[in-house]
Amino acid sequence: GQNIDQPTEMTATEGAIVQINCTYQTSGFNGLFWYQQHAGEAPTFLSYNVLDGLEEKGRFSSFLSRSKGYSYLLLKELQMKDSASYLCAVRPYSNYQLIWGAGTKLIIKP
Amino acid sequence: GAGVSQSPSNKVTEKGKDVELRCDPISGHTALYWYRQSLGQGLEFLIYFQGNSAPDKSGLPSDRFSAERTGGSVSTLTIQRTQQEDSAVYLCASSAREGVETQYFGPGTRLLVL
Repeated sequence: GQNIDQPTEMTATEGAIVQINCTYQTSGFNGLFWYQQHAGEAPTFLSYNVLDGLEEKGRFSSFLSRSKGYSYLLLKELQMKDSASYLCAVRPYSNYQLIWGAGTKLIIKP
Repeated sequence: GAGVSQSPSNKVTEKGKDVELRCDPISGHTALYWYRQSLGQGLEFLIYFQGNSAPDKSGLPSDRFSAERTGGSVSTLTIQRTQQEDSAVYLCASSAREGVETQYFGPGTRLLVL
C-alpha cells in the first residue's frame, strides 16, 4: 500500500530551527513535495525533491533520502508567520496523482 | 486570471440538496485535481483530469459525487443528495501537465451541510 507519515503537531520558538520529518512507503517514487498551508487557506508550494540530498531556499531547506524513504523540511530563524501546517506529498509514478500526508501543524511561540 | 479560482467560496446547504462547485484552472494547465479536506485533516484525493484522457475517478467516495471538465478548462464537482459528512473544504488544483509539475491550488469552497 501507499503510506505517508508525518508528526501531527510540533511546537518551536521564534528564532529557532525546527525539522519536520516525513517517511513514506510507496510502490514507486518520482519525487516528493512539501507544501505550506496556513489555517483557512489553500496549500502553497514550498519545494520539490527528486534526487538525494539537501536543497536550500532561503530559510527553508528540504532533504531527501530515497533509499530510506525519508524526507525532512528544515525551517531556520523561525518567524511567527511560519505557524502553519506543512504537508508532505509523494508522486509514486510519473503519471500518477500525489499521495498526501496528513500534515504537521507547526506552532511557533514567542 | 493569474491563479486557480473557485466558486462559491462558501456554501451552506440543507441535507438532501444538490450542490455544484466550480473550478477555473490556470490558463493552459492541462491537469486538474479535486481534493477534499476536513477540519484538521490532510488532503483526500477525489478526481483527476488530464487533457482529453478519461478522468481518474478512483477517489470519489460515493456515486453521489461526480465531476466534469468542459473544453479542457473549467471543471464542476457535483454532490447529489448532500449528507452532513460531506461538509468539508473542497480544493481544486491545476498543473501544467501530468508528471512532475507543481500543483497550484485554488482558495477552496467551504461546504457546510446542515
